[in-house]
Amino acid sequence: DTEVTQTPKHLVMGMTNKKSLKCEQHMGHRAMYWYKQKAKKPPELMFVYSYEKLSINESVPSRFSPECPNSSLLNLHLHALQPEDSALYLCASSRTGEPGAQYFGPGTRLTVL
Amino acid sequence: GQNIDQPTEMTATEGAIVQINCTYQTSGFNGLFWYQQHAGEAPTFLSYNVLDGLEEKGRFSSFLSRSKGYSYLLLKELQMKDSASYLCAVRRLAGNTPLVFGKGTRLSVIA
Repeated sequence: DTEVTQTPKHLVMGMTNKKSLKCEQHMGHRAMYWYKQKAKKPPELMFVYSYEKLSINESVPSRFSPECPNSSLLNLHLHALQPEDSALYLCASSRTGEPGAQYFGPGTRLTVL
Repeated sequence: GQNIDQPTEMTATEGAIVQINCTYQTSGFNGLFWYQQHAGEAPTFLSYNVLDGLEEKGRFSSFLSRSKGYSYLLLKELQMKDSASYLCAVRRLAGNTPLVFGKGTRLSVIA
């Protein structure tokens, strides 16, 4: 199983809503990532989890709150988002050690109204 | 700072060979990765190079020269489905460090 799954595929939310994005992998990878990607731009790293602990936060606003309940799951909790947060949110995972290619999920297309 | 450069767009003919170049200047180097991304879809891992030389994987090959800060992705026997963006990414440090992505090269394959 070399698949990273993400739900939902599409999400439309208002600026006062609270929602969560979910990511799951069963490859035994112990590193998981959240990226944000705007149209025609490369992915931008948001967070990195290593062995279920947050290891990197790329100065992401607190309205984005990551959570890693176990080694297979990664959540991104959203609250009070802005329209400019509309983007494709990608989850990825990789094995630890060298060099570790990242496998991406299909992404969640988020629209904030 | 980190700088990864690749051409913005390229066009090639079905059945031909195309080479997509990537140059990088990063503080630290621990591997260079190539990803393919079709419009509206997630990136798909294609290949990586850690040591100098050529890595071949079917119709795709990737080359690395660490001393020159240079890599290329070679696509042979181009097919229409190869029309996509190709992202060059560098891992700067060992372990679970994030990738630094280039802006991607949009390849159009024409008949």
